[in-house]
Order: sequence, then C-alpha cells, then structure tokens
Amino acid sequence: GENVEQHPSTLSVQEGDSAVIKCTYSDSASNYFPWYKQELGKGPQLIIDIRSNVGEKKDQRIAVTLNKTAKHFSLHITETQPEDSAVYFCAQRGGNKLVFGAGTILRVKS
Amino acid sequence: KAGVTQTPRYLIKTRGQQVTLSCSPISGHRSVSWYQQTPGQGLQFLFEYFSETQRNKGNFPGRFSGRQFSNSRSEMNVSTLELGDSALYLCASTHRGGVLQETQYFGPGTRLLVL
Repeated sequence: GENVEQHPSTLSVQEGDSAVIKCTYSDSASNYFPWYKQELGKGPQLIIDIRSNVGEKKDQRIAVTLNKTAKHFSLHITETQPEDSAVYFCAQRGGNKLVFGAGTILRVKS
Repeated sequence: KAGVTQTPRYLIKTRGQQVTLSCSPISGHRSVSWYQQTPGQGLQFLFEYFSETQRNKGNFPGRFSGRQFSNSRSEMNVSTLELGDSALYLCASTHRGGVLQETQYFGPGTRLLVL
C-alpha cells in the first residue's frame, strides 16, 4: 500500500547551518511530492513541491531532490533562520489524495 | 486571492453528539479534500470532492461524511462523536492546472475537542 517514511523525527540545527529531511515512499506510481511547513496553531503551508519529470527544484534557501529509482526525496534548507523552526511534512500523491510522512520537528537555535 | 477558509476554528462537543464543519476553497478551485490530524496518527485523508461528487474516500467509519455544494464549498459531518475524534480537521483546496499540475493548499483547520 501507500506509505511514506520520514526521517529524522526531530532535528536541531544552529542558525546558519543547513537542514536536510528525507522521505522514502512505496508507491512507484506517485508523480507529485510536496513539502509542507506547519507552525503552531496553523494549517500546513506548501513550501515547495516536485513532480516526477524533474529531479531537483530550488526556491531561494529551499531545495528538493527526487530520486525515483530509489523512491526517495529530500528537503534541503540552507542558511537556516529561527523562523524556519516548525514541523515539516513530506507527502506523495497516491490517486487523488496526499499520503503524508509523520513529520519532522525542526528547531533552529540562535 | 483569499485562502482556504474553515469555520468554526474551534469546537467543543460531548460524546454522542454530531458536528458539521465548513470549508470554502480558494476561488476557482473545484476540488476539496479533508484530512484529520492527530498527534498519534498524523495527517490522514478523509475524502475528496470534485464538482459535488465524492471521488475518493479514506479508511474512516461511516460516521464521517461530507458533501460539496455547487459553489464548491464543502461540509463534513461527524455523527455519534467519540473521544478519539478529537483532532484538527483540515480542508485542502486543489488547483488543477493540467497534467502533473495539481497543488493542494490547506486552510487553518478546525480544532475539535470531544469531551
């Protein structure tokens, strides 16, 4: 069935360092892989996404890479800032629904 | 454009009651999906509606139901509430821009507490 594994579950970095979150999926038919950031008391906010016809996508300090052969994709945040502290979720589209990873709590220490 | 709006934002109910949550998608978006978020189970898909038709349903009991209106607004209903239904209920509005061009945007959620 559809399953997304996300690691690590918590990640603490020093301000200015990079953060990497990895996800592995099982549904080889998936073609869309978004990343969401969720702050306390708010709904998930789409921060970047990648589609199966692309291997890498970058948006300022955020980048996502996709390896369809290995069925994993990763979120890279460079030059982390305290406002990057939040819970990050990866997801894959299976059919008409998103299947989410368990989330990563990112703490950026200043 | 205004984002996805959900009402109410907070709700307290007691076991056995029923509840109706509302979602207004982003203007022009015709698809609405609902998710349940809990600390133990994470984000789980409930159902998706497109043009007033349910297109997909997750693994939830029949107590969970929904509908979509002609203006794309959607409601979900939970009957005979149980303590385990306490959760953040999220609505997502989908933009379809063509093949491989679907993007889901979430609302702020409705926090339901069942006592």
